Amino acid sequence: NAGVTQTPKFQVLKTGQSMTLQCAQDMNHEYMSWYRQDPGMGLRLIHYSVGAGITDQGEVPNGYNVSRSTTEDFPLRLLSAAPSQTSVYFCASSDRWSVDEQYFGPGTRLTVT
Amino acid sequence: SQELEQSPQSLIVQEGKNLTINCTSSKTLYGLYWYKQKYGEGLIFLMMLQKGGEEKSHEKITAKLDEKKQQSSLHITASQPSHAGIYLCGALLKAGNQFYFGTGTSLTVIP
Repeated sequence: NAGVTQTPKFQVLKTGQSMTLQCAQDMNHEYMSWYRQDPGMGLRLIHYSVGAGITDQGEVPNGYNVSRSTTEDFPLRLLSAAPSQTSVYFCASSDRWSVDEQYFGPGTRLTVT
Repeated sequence: SQELEQSPQSLIVQEGKNLTINCTSSKTLYGLYWYKQKYGEGLIFLMMLQKGGEEKSHEKITAKLDEKKQQSSLHITASQPSHAGIYLCGALLKAGNQFYFGTGTSLTVIP
């Protein structure tokens, strides 16, 4: 049971490039989410999904796209990277959103130059 | 704007000392969660509080929820170097699926 996995662990992009951060979980969790963590800001919710085929925006969705074609995978796409997207990105999953704890992946450290 | 405010932002304590971290919400809480993050790693769930006045303990960590004040506190007794890390509170602030995290408190424990 691997839990929540994220790839890559580190990534450097140039402004304007696009890329996809991968997230997968093997716990059959319905709920998955993406956060970004910036110094002094805590974690902020980017997008989340309550099940396959269903996604919704979080607090800071601009510049990011998501899709949820399977229960296991929840990729985050950066369409045209900007220096403001330099951050550490965490994916999380949970069985029931409002009562169960979220399980977090190890994070992806992204730098946009 | 920050929906959940934590204080203090950082804390340096001597091993064996007690400490308290506070988390205050500007909106109605629908459950309050405490997480710990070791530097450079993901978050680990500590505990969840749902009812006003609720208090939970795990080893030397105790969390309380004051629903009237929209506030939670995390208390560590006899701190150890293993307690070092970043503590974050999180909550559902309205009916729905959006989860908010606090700004985090960085804890250093000096042996």
